[in-house]
This record gives sequence, C-alpha cells and structure tokens, in this order.
Amino acid sequence: GDSVTQMEGPVTLSEEAFLTINCTYTATGYPSLFWYVQYPGEGLQLLLKATKADDKGSNKGFEATYRKETTSFHLEKGSVQVSDSAVYFCALSKGGSTLGRLYFGRGTQLTVWP
Amino acid sequence: ETGVTQTPRHLVMGMTNKKSLKCEQHLGHNAMYWYKQSAKKPLELMFVYSLEERVENNSVPSRFSPECPNSSHLFLHLHTLQPEDSALYLCASSQVPGGKPEAFFGQGTRLTVV
Repeated sequence: GDSVTQMEGPVTLSEEAFLTINCTYTATGYPSLFWYVQYPGEGLQLLLKATKADDKGSNKGFEATYRKETTSFHLEKGSVQVSDSAVYFCALSKGGSTLGRLYFGRGTQLTVWP
Repeated sequence: ETGVTQTPRHLVMGMTNKKSLKCEQHLGHNAMYWYKQSAKKPLELMFVYSLEERVENNSVPSRFSPECPNSSHLFLHLHTLQPEDSALYLCASSQVPGGKPEAFFGQGTRLTVV
C-alpha cells in the first residue's frame, strides 16, 4: 500500500548548520508530496509541496525535490536557526478517489542549539 | 479568522464524561478530516467527510462519534473514553477533487482522559 518512510530522529544541530531529513515513499500513480512542520503545542503547518516529478518545493529557506526515480523527497536547509526547532513530517496525497487523505511519515524531531 | 479553527485547545475529562470537539473551516473546502496524534505513534486518520457525508471510518471505536452538519463544521463527540484515548486530535480540510492537493490543519485539541 501507499506509505511514507522518513529518517528517525531526533536530529540535533548547531545554528547555521546544514540540514537534511530523508524521506522516501511508496505509492502507485502520481502522488503529491508534502512537508509539514509542527511547532511545540501547535497543529501541522504546510511547509512546502511538490505535485509532479522534478518539481522543487521551497519555503522559508527549506527545499525539497520530487525525485520519481528514487521515490524520494528529502528536506534540506542550508543554514538552520533556533526557530526551526520543531517536528517535521513528510506526507503524500493521491487526491481524487482517495478523498485527499494524507499518508504521513512518523515525524522527525529537529532541535537547533544556538 | 481564516483557516481551520479547533475548540477547545485543551480538554480534561473523566472516563464517564461526555464532551465534544469542534472544528470550523473558513476555506470553502468540501472535505474534512479527524486525525489522532499520540505520543510515539504515527498520525492516524480517524474519519473523512466529503460533502458532509462520512466516507471513511478507520476502525475507530464507537466511543468516538463524528458529526458534520455542514461543509464548514465538524464535531467529534466523545463518551466513556479510556486513558489511552489521551492524545492531540487534529482537524483538517481540503478541496477534493480538483482543488489544491494539500490539507490545512487546525491547531488541535489536547485531550487528557483521567
């Protein structure tokens, strides 16, 4: 079935370090891919998305490229800040007949130290 | 206020109580969802409503009873809960089919069952 696998955390970095959080997916057809972020005590916020192969989603310095050949959607940021500390979720949606349900990875806790 | 609003933000209830969670979306979407987020577990999709009709119920115990009176409002009625039902309950909405593929989430209701 459809699923998302993302790297286990927690990830701990110093401010201005480079971030990569790996995400791979299994799905039939052509899913849309997302990264959501959850700050402490909050719900999920859409961080970025890509809807077709080779698309790059970007927002707030974060980027992820939809790689169909490797079924991956890795999240990257060149220089993290303390304010980026949060839990990051990779997700996919197939829309249409699946009624927009999202398949989530287990989440990766990121902590950035000053 | 725009987006998805959930009330209350926090709820403590005894196992014999009856309470309801409320969700309201101001995005003009036609699908709404309840997700459960427990510590150390992946996000679980509980219910899906499309055009106010329940179209998915993922083996959720009957002590959880959803209601969708119109396309903007979604409720989760709770009764005789168990301590293991303590979790963050997230509401989301999206437009399916034909709209943007992402779902938008509320800030969640933190439920504690004592």
